[in-house]
Amino acid sequence: QKEVEQDPGPLSVPEGAIVSLNCTYSNSAFQYFMWYRQYSRKGPELLMYTYSSGNKEDGRFTAQVDKSSKYISLFIRDSQPSDSATYLCAIPGFQKLVFGTGTRLLVSP
Amino acid sequence: DTGVSQNPRHKITKRGQNVTFRCDPISEHNRLYWYRQTLGQGPEFLTYFQNEAQLEKSRLLSDRFSAERPKGSFSTLEIQRTEQGDSAMYLCASSLASRENTQYFGPGTRLTVL
Repeated sequence: QKEVEQDPGPLSVPEGAIVSLNCTYSNSAFQYFMWYRQYSRKGPELLMYTYSSGNKEDGRFTAQVDKSSKYISLFIRDSQPSDSATYLCAIPGFQKLVFGTGTRLLVSP
Repeated sequence: DTGVSQNPRHKITKRGQNVTFRCDPISEHNRLYWYRQTLGQGPEFLTYFQNEAQLEKSRLLSDRFSAERPKGSFSTLEIQRTEQGDSAMYLCASSLASRENTQYFGPGTRLTVL
């Protein structure tokens, strides 16, 4: 079983939709959870990180962690075409980040 | 621009040739990481440095790969006798040792081996 699993998509939504992106992880000891955004042919950009359980909000983005289910989510409200990118969940392993495969999001005008 | 920079951005080479990539981290960051990303996959860890010391290497880093960070600033990643399977995006990231979870990535070097 992979340490972090993520649906690769693509996920296509119309502009203005609420987007839900999800990852599952295997190791219950994980405490930090990150979301990176990666535009085509660019490096990943740190979007949000959360510690332990609960929600964290930043503008149109909300990160949610459910440690009992080992499930992390990223919600995007009022999605924009500029949100079209690949979204990667990442979990700190020992001295490195362990990434999911990424979910490709396409927001159409 | 004070972010992580990588050069070259693209490299096309023939199988069997050697290639070298360079990464310049954020200046105050003492940790530097190399990752590899293939199409449709997330980045996979290769190796990391704290200052000039290389502290961990992944099993993905075969004997043909070598990385250096001679003065604890920029780093180079060399691939000898390239193979088609080496075609990937090579990403560099940096962080403070005290905040190792917050890694900032460069734009990557895209390698194509013909």
